[in-house]
Amino acid sequence: NAGVTQTPKFRILKIGQSMTLQCTQDMNHNYMYWYRQDPGMGLKLIYYSVGAGITDKGEVPNGYNVSRSTTEDFPLRLELAAPSQTSVYFCASSYSNRGSYEQYFGPGTRLTVT
Amino acid sequence: QQQVKQSPQSLIVQKGGISIINCAYENTAFDYFPWYQQFPGKGPALLIAIRPDVSEKKEGRFTISFNKSAKQFSLHIMDSQPGDSATYFCAASRSTNAGKSTFGDGTTLTVKP
Repeated sequence: NAGVTQTPKFRILKIGQSMTLQCTQDMNHNYMYWYRQDPGMGLKLIYYSVGAGITDKGEVPNGYNVSRSTTEDFPLRLELAAPSQTSVYFCASSYSNRGSYEQYFGPGTRLTVT
Repeated sequence: QQQVKQSPQSLIVQKGGISIINCAYENTAFDYFPWYQQFPGKGPALLIAIRPDVSEKKEGRFTISFNKSAKQFSLHIMDSQPGDSATYFCAASRSTNAGKSTFGDGTTLTVKP
């Protein structure tokens, strides 16, 4: 199993550009999440999904969109990139084990908006 | 309003010493408390987790202590090794909330040889 994979690893965007961060998991997990991690801070939840076709906002959704057409893929779309979106983005997946949700994280995408 | 507060922000320990990281939470509905370990340039990885029906859980050199009445939990790393140098995050979630986790801000641990 590859686990959770993310592409690209690094990206530099100009202000106002758009891009999609890709996330794929091969563990057949129902739950998937997007987090952003700013320096010296914990992870903030952007969006999450409980299954194909079902997504919902997390703590910091503004400026982002997601879709979940398959169990495996959970892309994150940035529209009109802003410097405040400079961050490291992590995708994670999990399953419910009697109410415990061990999250498996991808390696991250480091995004710089200038 | 930060729901999970983690301290200290950074910690330096000598090899063989005990590392202790503390977290406090506010939402009494939380019922799953994991700790994640993150090495530079990598994603976080689950280290150990506890549910509030027990006060302590031990896995090798890593122990979680949980105090439900005080709404606090802590990670103890016994016999700390240089390879333990990483950033540690506590988190909390509700079993009825699709695993959405609230994370602490992290503790950077440095173990000196």
